[in-house]
Amino acid sequence: DGGITQSPKYLFRKEGQNVTLSCEQNLNHDAMYWYRQDPGQGLRLIYYSQIVNDFQKGDIAEGYSVSREKKESFPLTVTSAQKNPTAFYLCASSNSGSQYFGPGTRLLVL
Amino acid sequence: AQTVTQSQPEMSVQEAETVTLSCTYDTSENNYYLFWYKQPPSRQMILVIRQEAYKQQNATENRFSVNFQKAAKSFSLKISDSQLGDTAMYFCAFRNRDDKIIFGKGTRLHILP
Repeated sequence: DGGITQSPKYLFRKEGQNVTLSCEQNLNHDAMYWYRQDPGQGLRLIYYSQIVNDFQKGDIAEGYSVSREKKESFPLTVTSAQKNPTAFYLCASSNSGSQYFGPGTRLLVL
Repeated sequence: AQTVTQSQPEMSVQEAETVTLSCTYDTSENNYYLFWYKQPPSRQMILVIRQEAYKQQNATENRFSVNFQKAAKSFSLKISDSQLGDTAMYFCAFRNRDDKIIFGKGTRLHILP
């Protein structure tokens, strides 16, 4: 079954804690992306990667980090430096045409 | 800067009616892609339709069609015979030469029974 998976569906973060959101795709896409969506808003690009072992900052990269060690995986770490992390996080991948999205992770701060 | 503007924050139409969602964009590029995405209450982003800028023919996907006006930088979405399941947020998006996609702020569409 081809697609993009994100885990967990819900994630709770304590103050000062780093948390990692998982994104996996089996579509053989080269490019992968992370977006943040705040309530009633559009999507803002955090980081993207066009090829393994390479990634670029998006519009709101501060307080986030990523890695791209495998083509299939693009995990996002929300660090303690991100002071307002509560949001819905969407991962996407692209075949140099359309982007396809995972189901998202809802991050909440305790 | 490249931007995507959706001027209708919210719309409501009766079931079975036709509705058109507006989108304008700004770019100096000549070759690019445009998309409409649907985000239902589940929050899953679903690709509805895409248009390559070099194609003059408007894209269609079943009940969904676009009116692409390249010179005017306009890309509206028409939903025919609207159904209750069409209720969702709709995002217009533009893909630039760097493979980044820029999204509009969305239009919340309500289909009324």
